[in-house]
Formats: sequence, C-alpha cells, structure tokens
Amino acid sequence: QTVVTQEPSFSVSPGGTVTLTCGLSSGSVSTSYYPSWYQQTPGQAPRTLIYSTNTRSSGVPDRFSGSILGNKAALTITGAQADDESDYYCVLYMSSGIYVFGTGTKVTVL
Amino acid sequence: EVQLVESGGGLVQPGGSLRLSCAASGFTFRNYWMHWVRQVPGKGLVWVSRIDTDGSYTSYADSVKGRFTISRDNAKNTLYLQLNSLRAEDTAVYYCATVATHNFDNWGQGTLVTVSS
Repeated sequence: QTVVTQEPSFSVSPGGTVTLTCGLSSGSVSTSYYPSWYQQTPGQAPRTLIYSTNTRSSGVPDRFSGSILGNKAALTITGAQADDESDYYCVLYMSSGIYVFGTGTKVTVL
Repeated sequence: EVQLVESGGGLVQPGGSLRLSCAASGFTFRNYWMHWVRQVPGKGLVWVSRIDTDGSYTSYADSVKGRFTISRDNAKNTLYLQLNSLRAEDTAVYYCATVATHNFDNWGQGTLVTVSS
C-alpha cells in the first residue's frame, strides 16, 4: 500500500520561509504524479494552493510556490504570515488511477 | 458560484448501510469528474473514490473497495456514495469534490458518518 509522507509539523517565524515536502514510501515523486497542495483550517474544507506541481490556484498569494526537490514534491511558503498557520496536505495521482493524500503537516507561525 | 452540499450522514451500527448525496450547483455538473474524500475528525484527508463524467468509470481506495459504490445522476446534478458493511473505522466526515487537471478545486462542507453500536 502506497504511503505519501509529509513532515508532521513545522514552526516558522513571521516573515520566514518554510519548505514542506511530500514523498513516497517507495520511489520518487515526479511531475507525472501531478502533485497538488491544500491548506485546511479547523472546521473548514480544504482549499487548493498549488496543482500540477507548480501552478498556483486562483487567488493564492505568490508567497506560496510548488516544485520538485530531489525525489519529493515541495511547497514553499516565503514570508510566512500569521494566517498561514494551518494544516497542509499534498495529494498524488497514481498510475493505477487512484489518488493518495499525504499524512499532513501542521504549520505553526510564531 | 459553485456549491456542493453533502447530506445523508448520521449514526449507523456496524454492518449497516448509508447513502450519501452531494447536490451540485453553479457549474455544469455533467462535465466534471467527481470524487469523495473522507476525514476522521482531527486526522488527515483520505481519498475514497471517483467517477467519470457519465458514470462509466469508477475507482476506489483499497480500504473501501467492494463495500462502497459511487454513482451519479447528471439529470439531478447529484453525486452519491453508497456505504455498505460499515465498520467503526469508516467513521469520518465525507466530502464531495470536483477535480479538474488533478486539482481538487471545489469542496462541499462535508457530512459526518458515525459507525457505532
């Protein structure tokens, strides 16, 4: 069973930069997995930040960017703000036609 | 404005069944692949199932294969998820979502399913 791994938590200072990653239990993440990233605050539905590796969703600030770093997908927040404090999830598309969400990263801004 | 409204959740005993619905509006429903995603309160998101535009192709997560069935009625702009042989570990909030170019771009607010005796 495929597991998509993310860091459990990150802490970043206001104005700082943090990079979250999204990896596979076996193998490397590439653009062929169409990695996407979602932000979720408690009690709310997720919101798209990035899709197809590095395409920013409409209305998403340009301090959010997506990329492939080494063998993982990555989400970078540059100039973190207080309201970036949320849970972040990646999701990968598998060749078998299913999707797998990552384990999620809780980001704290302090 | 795109709206997805889930309904049909509730309390059900282990081994029981439930049918969830997702009423869509504000977009051309028949043109979109539709998905179900679930989330145990306080835990992570888990992809459950998807269906193509006319209902001819479906896929499922291994954890629900053979127990859950996704379907749609394009005339009613409604997506369904039939949940059978329910287990305690199926307890979660169930979201419907539209997906285009591998982007889960619109989500409902979810409906809570609780499996307990």
